[in-house]
Amino acid sequence: GAGVSQSPSNKVTEKGKDVELRCDPISGHTALYWYRQSLGQGLEFLIYFQGNSAPDKSGLPSDRFSAERTGGSVSTLTIQRTQQEDSAVYLCASSLEAEQFFGPGTRLTVL
Amino acid sequence: GENVEQHPSTLSVQEGDSAVIKCTYSDSASNYFPWYKQELGKRPQLIIDIRSNVGEKKDQRIAVTLNKTAKHFSLHITETQPEDSAVYFCAANLGGSARQLTFGSGTQLTVLP
Repeated sequence: GAGVSQSPSNKVTEKGKDVELRCDPISGHTALYWYRQSLGQGLEFLIYFQGNSAPDKSGLPSDRFSAERTGGSVSTLTIQRTQQEDSAVYLCASSLEAEQFFGPGTRLTVL
Repeated sequence: GENVEQHPSTLSVQEGDSAVIKCTYSDSASNYFPWYKQELGKRPQLIIDIRSNVGEKKDQRIAVTLNKTAKHFSLHITETQPEDSAVYFCAANLGGSARQLTFGSGTQLTVLP
């Protein structure tokens, strides 16, 4: 079956521009997560959506980062006024129970 | 704060030898401990997990052990093969969260032919 998909796969932007990253979770999965992975580093938790509950935004590094999940399915992570330190791979995952299934990631490069 | 620590950060073994990666966690309420494998340029994928009601779980060449008292768990890979080369991440559901995971910093395993 279809796994988690993300778009775009690569995004190059200029410092100061806004970017939107999209995640399509596995159909029926109620939980959706965003992580950031800098080069050679671990998985940094950003935000977590569970059903219709208020999202857990405790991992967002600054108020330039926001995310929404419409209709309990697709999610968009928005980074405003991008900075060079935002360059990383942004991974989305979804789950129905404990196991998280990851998407291929979006590689963001801020010039 | 609550976290998951993983060691070593890099590990090189000869093909056929065993590899062991260790993680410690801080929250005794944690009860779910998965391990993910991430090959270069690929997404992380679950390879094995363990819950706190068991002490060990095996799946072919891979095993995970859990010591709840000491709050640590380990991944054991036997008869390593070059295709085992990857970054391995441990994780724990700190606070006993139903789904939210905190990941370790990863171990780059290299299996030398």
